[in-house]
Amino acid sequence: EAQVTQNPRYLITVTGKKLTVTCSQNMNHEYMSWYRQDPGLGLRQIYYSMNVEVTDKGDVPEGYKVSRKEKRNFPLILESPSPNQTSLYFCASSHNGAGEETQYFGPGTRLLVL
Amino acid sequence: QKEVEQNSGPLSVPEGAIASLNCTYSDRGSQSFFWYRQYSGKSPELIMSIYSNGDKEDGRFTAQLNKASQYVSLLIRDSQPSDSATYLCAVRRGGSYIPTFGRGTSLIVHP
Repeated sequence: EAQVTQNPRYLITVTGKKLTVTCSQNMNHEYMSWYRQDPGLGLRQIYYSMNVEVTDKGDVPEGYKVSRKEKRNFPLILESPSPNQTSLYFCASSHNGAGEETQYFGPGTRLLVL
Repeated sequence: QKEVEQNSGPLSVPEGAIASLNCTYSDRGSQSFFWYRQYSGKSPELIMSIYSNGDKEDGRFTAQLNKASQYVSLLIRDSQPSDSATYLCAVRRGGSYIPTFGRGTSLIVHP
């Protein structure tokens, strides 16, 4: 089954404690991205990657890091989480990020930073 | 600043009616337009994408694009209770890989 998986689905952590949210897709997609979704602010892109070792900032990259060492995986790293990073996070992938192609979203990770 | 505006709703329609969802955008360089459906607690799911002015139909869904007026709309014919969800409009500038999403319109279809 074609899918995007994220782990963990729920996470409660404390300020400053480094964490990683994993994202994996099994569709051999080149393009992957991370979004955060906040009430009243909608869905905003954090980082995206067009292929292995090729990443770029989205609209809200501050406080986040990503890496793309393998085509299927695109982890999101919060080196020093802060309460304003409490949010619902989605990973997404598509064939190449352009055109009218479908972007597949993962199930989401709900993060609470205390 | 790229902006995509949607009425937050909720938009309430009776079962079987046509639901009309609207979206306006500020960036005249926008070339790709998308409608996503998001059920509560779930991830967004692409319903329609449209590039050219005019209408694009897919089953009960019709996307309408008017670049001169900078709006894109989604019509849902024969609305069903299962269509109750939040509908997100997304816009992407030509050559960009970063879509801008609206805040979504909540649709309620009541029996």
